[in-house]
Amino acid sequence: DIQMTQSPSSLSVSVGDRVTITCQASQDISIHLNWYQQRPGKAPSLLIYDVSTLETGVPSRFSGSGSGAVFTFTISGLQPEDIATYYCQQYDSLPYTFGQGTKLDIK
Amino acid sequence: QVQLQESGPGLVKPSDTLSLTCGVSGSSIFNGYYWAWIRQPPGKGLEWIGSIYYTGKTFYNPSLKSRVTLSMETSKKKFSLNLTSVTAADTAFYFCARHTTIGVRLDNWGQGTLVTVSS
Repeated sequence: DIQMTQSPSSLSVSVGDRVTITCQASQDISIHLNWYQQRPGKAPSLLIYDVSTLETGVPSRFSGSGSGAVFTFTISGLQPEDIATYYCQQYDSLPYTFGQGTKLDIK
Repeated sequence: QVQLQESGPGLVKPSDTLSLTCGVSGSSIFNGYYWAWIRQPPGKGLEWIGSIYYTGKTFYNPSLKSRVTLSMETSKKKFSLNLTSVTAADTAFYFCARHTTIGVRLDNWGQGTLVTVSS
């Protein structure tokens, strides 16, 4: 299985902050990477697919970059509604696997 | 608007079979999408269980493959998960979801249902 490792696992943030999360794959996954947001008590929701394409309706403060094995997810100007856990997911090969998550909380 | 809704028992005894169903509305259940199950133990991360196409084609996570069966009732726009020989380790929130055939993005999710394995 491809292992997905996110860093950091948790992050204390303030409204307006620029937040960066890294996702590293255990092997080259090209651009086969998606990002999800999971608010407390809710199902995950798709934010970004194929590394950098925003899902319809997702605010432009969210962005993604990378290729191969190292990927970055950024929130430019954190809003209160962005407090959540974020997951990367690879679909380069079966089984599809997720990172362990990065939990944001208010500083 | 696409909606998915999980249903099934919230409590299952050890060694029994966990059975859940997902109802789909607002989306064709045919061409273009796979239908998936993902689980999340309380306070932990996400694990993909398996996916099914309307033709009945399935693929499973090898870690669960010996115990998992996915099936689909296209006429009723429902798909189901059966997980046999459950243990406490199978206690989790179970989500159904839709994903694209190209790109495998899980673009619509059910709200999830907690299944507890306990005697």
